[in-house]
Amino acid sequence: GQNIDQPTEMTATEGAIVQINCTYQTSGFNGLFWYQQHAGEAPTFLSYNVLDGLEEKGRFSSFLSRSKGYSYLLLKELQMKDSASYLCAVRDSNYQLIWGAGTKLIIKP
Amino acid sequence: DTAVSQTPKYLVTQMGNDKSIKCEQNLGHDTMYWYKQDSKKFLKIMFSYNNKELIINETVPNRFSPKSPDKAHLNLHINSLELGDSAVYFCASSQGTGDQETQYFGPGTRLLVL
Repeated sequence: GQNIDQPTEMTATEGAIVQINCTYQTSGFNGLFWYQQHAGEAPTFLSYNVLDGLEEKGRFSSFLSRSKGYSYLLLKELQMKDSASYLCAVRDSNYQLIWGAGTKLIIKP
Repeated sequence: DTAVSQTPKYLVTQMGNDKSIKCEQNLGHDTMYWYKQDSKKFLKIMFSYNNKELIINETVPNRFSPKSPDKAHLNLHINSLELGDSAVYFCASSQGTGDQETQYFGPGTRLLVL
């Protein structure tokens, strides 16, 4: 079967750095997405990786290793508004998006 | 300007009823989707339409039927509602199904079946 694993919940301090990991086992790979979802709101796009390596976008960076079936989302200079769920999603060989359950990130002052 | 809109935002109804959720996107996208997000927060794809043709039809009960009158709309009709249908339903759209297509989500419809 297809599977996306992420930690259920993480806690970090305002101003610090946090890394949210995602491992996947899918039938084929055609890209990995990270989305942010605030409580009670819709998911919004953060990043996309299809090749190995690090993609940086402001305070957020996303890393991919296809050989390891692994990605992480790195959030720097954490702000209270970063408190949200972070969803990892992988597109398989049929171009279907397989979603993880998300990691709830709690930011403390 | 709202890119992807859904109505209603909240829907409370009795078991056995039939209900519809509407979705409209003004982004000019070719593909629209319906997702179900349950209490465990898993996003499960239900349907997607590309240029009014169904291209993904997951193993959802046939009580659920998508209806697309045009490229900008994808409505979800649910017959004989059951308790287990209670969830948040998200509509989304994307330009296509290519490499970097990003999905834009509507605000969600919170369905509660009593």
